[in-house]
Amino acid sequence: EPEVTQTPSHQVTQMGQEVILRCVPISNHLYFYWYRQILGQKVEFLVSFYNNEISEKSEIFDDQFSVERPDGSNFTLKIRSTKLEDSAMYFCASSEGRVETEAFFGQGTRLTVV
Amino acid sequence: KNEVEQSPQNLTAQEGEFITINCSYSVGISALHWLQQHPGGGIVSLFMLSSGKKKHGRLIATINIQEKHSSLHITASHPRDSAVYICAVRSKTGANSKLTFGKGITLSVRP
Repeated sequence: EPEVTQTPSHQVTQMGQEVILRCVPISNHLYFYWYRQILGQKVEFLVSFYNNEISEKSEIFDDQFSVERPDGSNFTLKIRSTKLEDSAMYFCASSEGRVETEAFFGQGTRLTVV
Repeated sequence: KNEVEQSPQNLTAQEGEFITINCSYSVGISALHWLQQHPGGGIVSLFMLSSGKKKHGRLIATINIQEKHSSLHITASHPRDSAVYICAVRSKTGANSKLTFGKGITLSVRP
């Protein structure tokens, strides 16, 4: 069964460092998303991506964040200068269509900023 | 902005019991998703609903669009059903395709 894969599963980084979280969405999917979940809190939307551009972003997704689909298969989330409060589980998701289609989630990357 | 509320907050059940988890939302939606999250954090999609009812194995999901309410039922519950169950909705309007999540219900099924 096709699946969304994320790497790494866990990353520890020093405050102020840049991190890149990687995702390989399902191959025929057109819509890509990043969500995050701070420990003990609900999952929050970060950004959606379609047709090689951001289609929507939340207020969390400030200038420190960027997304890219560099080679037609990978979908990356970059955090330029990490802060302690960026520590969270980051989920990548993809779907075939925009609205009435199922969302498939990766297993998540647990980011710990120290 | 859509608000998604889930109840009860935590739920403990005995193996074999019938379980109901509820979700209500505030604004019209195009679809509602039920998701399962196990310890360790991975999220698995259980159902996507825009109307009516769906069944998969021991799981049944229903939605009432007029009342803005959905329920997830687990029949003959088993300890392996222990997980967090999350309701998430896609809004109906505009280009918005993101999911808005509820806080999730932590279910523990005792043997």
